[in-house]
Amino acid sequence: EAQVTQNPRYLITVTGKKLTVTCSQNMNHEYMSWYRQDPGLGLRQIYYSMNVEVTDKGDVPEGYKVSRKEKRNFPLILESPSPNQTSLYFCASRPKSSYNSPLHFGNGTRLTVT
Amino acid sequence: QKEVEQNSGPLSVPEGAIASLNCTYSDRGSQSFFWYRQYSGKSPELIMFIYSNGDKEDGRFTAQLNKASQYVSLLIRDSQPSDSATYLCAWTGTASKLTFGTGTRLQVTL
Repeated sequence: EAQVTQNPRYLITVTGKKLTVTCSQNMNHEYMSWYRQDPGLGLRQIYYSMNVEVTDKGDVPEGYKVSRKEKRNFPLILESPSPNQTSLYFCASRPKSSYNSPLHFGNGTRLTVT
Repeated sequence: QKEVEQNSGPLSVPEGAIASLNCTYSDRGSQSFFWYRQYSGKSPELIMFIYSNGDKEDGRFTAQLNKASQYVSLLIRDSQPSDSATYLCAWTGTASKLTFGTGTRLQVTL
């Protein structure tokens, strides 16, 4: 089954404790992206990657890191999480080539930083 | 000015009625437009995309695009309680970014 898999689904952590949210897709998509969703603010792009070893900042990259060592994986790293990073996070992917290709979303990771 | 504007709602329509959801955007370079549906706590799922002026129909859904007026809309005919969700419009102007509106919450009442 074609899918984007995020783990974990729920995560509660404390300020300053490094964490990684994993994202993996099995559709051979070049493009992958991370979004966070907050009430009243909608989905905002954190980072995106057009292909292996190519990453770039989205609208709200501060406090986040990403890497793209393999085509299928795009982990999101919070080196020192803070309470304002409490949010619902989505990973998404699509083929690079077409504007019209829809994004395929993972099931989301609800992160709480205390 | 926000890049994509949507009325947050809630928009309440009775079962069987037509729900009309609207979205305006600011960038005339926008290429393609998408409507996603999102149930509470779930991931967005694509309903339709449109990139040419005019109407595009798929079952009970019709997307309408007017590039001159910079708006895109979604009509849902014969609304059902299962259509109750938040509807996100999104546009893409470059290959790197899909910009989302904040969403309109739709409630279909019995």
